[in-house]
Amino acid sequence: GAGVSQSPSNKVTEKGKDVELRCDPISGHTALYWYRQSLGQGLEFLIYFQGNSAPDKSGLPSDRFSAERTGGSVSTLTIQRTQQEDSAVYLCASSILTSGSFTQYFGPGTRLTVL
Amino acid sequence: AQKVTQAQTEISVVEKEDVTLDCVYETRDTTYYLFWYKQPPSGELVFLIRRNSFDEQNEISGRYSWNFQKSTSSFNFTITASQVVDSAVYFCALSEIGNEKLTFGTGTRLTIIP
Repeated sequence: GAGVSQSPSNKVTEKGKDVELRCDPISGHTALYWYRQSLGQGLEFLIYFQGNSAPDKSGLPSDRFSAERTGGSVSTLTIQRTQQEDSAVYLCASSILTSGSFTQYFGPGTRLTVL
Repeated sequence: AQKVTQAQTEISVVEKEDVTLDCVYETRDTTYYLFWYKQPPSGELVFLIRRNSFDEQNEISGRYSWNFQKSTSSFNFTITASQVVDSAVYFCALSEIGNEKLTFGTGTRLTIIP
């Protein structure tokens, strides 16, 4: 079946602009995650949605970052007033509980470049 | 706090050689999961294996094998008879049961020389 999809695949923006990144999880997956991959910081957890529970936002680096998940499916990560240090690949993953754990399946990522 | 260490930043081997990628982890939890992911040049993270902390049996899947040793907090990955298609960055990761966010190591870039 279809995997996790993300759009856009590439985004170039100017410092100070807002951006929205979209994630479509695998159909039926109840959990959705956002990570960021950058040269300096490696792979970092940002936020995690599980069903109707309140999201775990503990990884968001600042209040300029926010995310929502509508209807338990599609998620949007919003970065306001982008800064150059926000340049990274933003990865989305989804999962479903199997054998007591959630194995996360990743999308292709959105490469964000802030000029 | 959780931590995953992949001390090998880059490894290069000649095709058909065996290669082992090291992973050492730290966690205060007694129950947790360990993972390996592959990131080929295309960029997408590909799931390879998940291991429960209760299960220390080694696992083999084709040319891939994993050695989990709780006593040394290690979860090493061996590729036998390496092929050029194995060239990628490999990430080891850890999650605690009930807290599913992954803590990743810094990755090992593996290059297979034809």
